Amino acid sequence: TQTVSQSDAHVTVFEGDSVELRCNYSYGGSIYLSWYIQHHGHGLQFLLKYYSGNPVVQGVNGFEAEFSKSDSSFHLRKASVHWSDSAVYFCAVSAPNTNKVVFGTGTRLQVLP
Amino acid sequence: DAGVTQTPRHEVAEKGQTIILKCEPVSGHNDLFWYRQTKIQGLELLSYFRSKSLMEDGGAFKDRFKAEMLNSSFSTLKIQPTEPKDSAVYLCASSQGGEVFFGKGTRLTVV
Repeated sequence: TQTVSQSDAHVTVFEGDSVELRCNYSYGGSIYLSWYIQHHGHGLQFLLKYYSGNPVVQGVNGFEAEFSKSDSSFHLRKASVHWSDSAVYFCAVSAPNTNKVVFGTGTRLQVLP
Repeated sequence: DAGVTQTPRHEVAEKGQTIILKCEPVSGHNDLFWYRQTKIQGLELLSYFRSKSLMEDGGAFKDRFKAEMLNSSFSTLKIQPTEPKDSAVYLCASSQGGEVFFGKGTRLTVV
């Protein structure tokens, strides 16, 4: 069974700062890892995913995430955040053989002006 | 290109009523999920279908929650009887290749 952990419930930064949102997972085999964003009052939207190949994947709006097998991590990063990046970010894992998707508890990112 | 469609967007029910939420997944997606989202519990998986077969029925949600997928393009979630603690946003999602597409959700309020 795959599990996913997002250790930070809230992260607050200033506009223009860099940010890293942490995600750790546990699963023994091949796995899909992905990030989703949810703005207040809206549904979840896909940001990016990793399955194989280059461990750094690029998403929309300047987001990227890096897979680390040794750390069992898939942290999300952005070099310079904008106030519109304020949202809740969810990390998710799924195993290709089951396709069941498990979500983390989410990290609320607040970007201050 | 139609995404995941959920109806209704809002539902108000009295305690003890039966309500049925509807979902149309993205055409061609074989995996369909029902989640419940609250501020306290976050995203909780209620049901998971793969090619119309129920793969997971959410354990603790079994007694009053029943999801069905009568064909590959339509699913329902029945809550019977409703309780005030069921007030939440119910999200339907379908997936392909590790990417999940969510509907806009149904906000249920049980009074």
